[in-house]
Amino acid sequence: AQRVTQPEKLLSVFKGAPVELKCNYSYSGSPELFWYVQYSRQRLQLLLRHISRESIKGFTADLNKGETSFHLKKPFAQEEDSAMYYCALKSSAGNMLTFGGGTRLMVKP
Amino acid sequence: KAGVTQTPRYLIKTRGQQVTLSCSPISGHRSVSWYQQTPGQGLQFLFEYFSETQRNKGNFPGRFSGRQFSNSRSEMNVSTLELGDSALYLCASSGGTGQGNTIYFGEGSWLTVV
Repeated sequence: AQRVTQPEKLLSVFKGAPVELKCNYSYSGSPELFWYVQYSRQRLQLLLRHISRESIKGFTADLNKGETSFHLKKPFAQEEDSAMYYCALKSSAGNMLTFGGGTRLMVKP
Repeated sequence: KAGVTQTPRYLIKTRGQQVTLSCSPISGHRSVSWYQQTPGQGLQFLFEYFSETQRNKGNFPGRFSGRQFSNSRSEMNVSTLELGDSALYLCASSGGTGQGNTIYFGEGSWLTVV
């Protein structure tokens, strides 16, 4: 069975501080991992996917298969980064996403 | 291009009733999935349809069902509603199923069961 764990429900940092949102997964096959973000009163939207290895809004995430992790990082947090962040794993069969419990990021001025 | 559209956005039902929620995927998308979001259980996968066929199913009771039409629009139905069915129901659509495929979400339908 596949599982995604986000150990922190809430992460509070000051503006300009580094941010790391943790995500660990368990999956027997070759996973495809994503970070989705949900800003207040907005729909879930894709932030990053591991195969793209890109930086979006200053965020990066690296898949570490040895540690089965896909942590989200940003060197300098901004107030507009305050949102709910979900790590998700897509199985190889279809478009079924397994989500972690989510981490609420609060960036204080 | 219009995004994933869900109707109705808000609804209130009574225990024991049934409800049907509708989803229009992004034009050209053939895969539609449904999720339930609650404060306690988070985001949970309900089912996925591709070209009118159910391809994946989550761990929900048989009261939860869905279907997809030839134009890729999808509906989900919950029968014999229980208080615990109160949730945000999200629909997602995608153009394919391979790696690199993006899954887009709608704004959801807020269901309250009283």
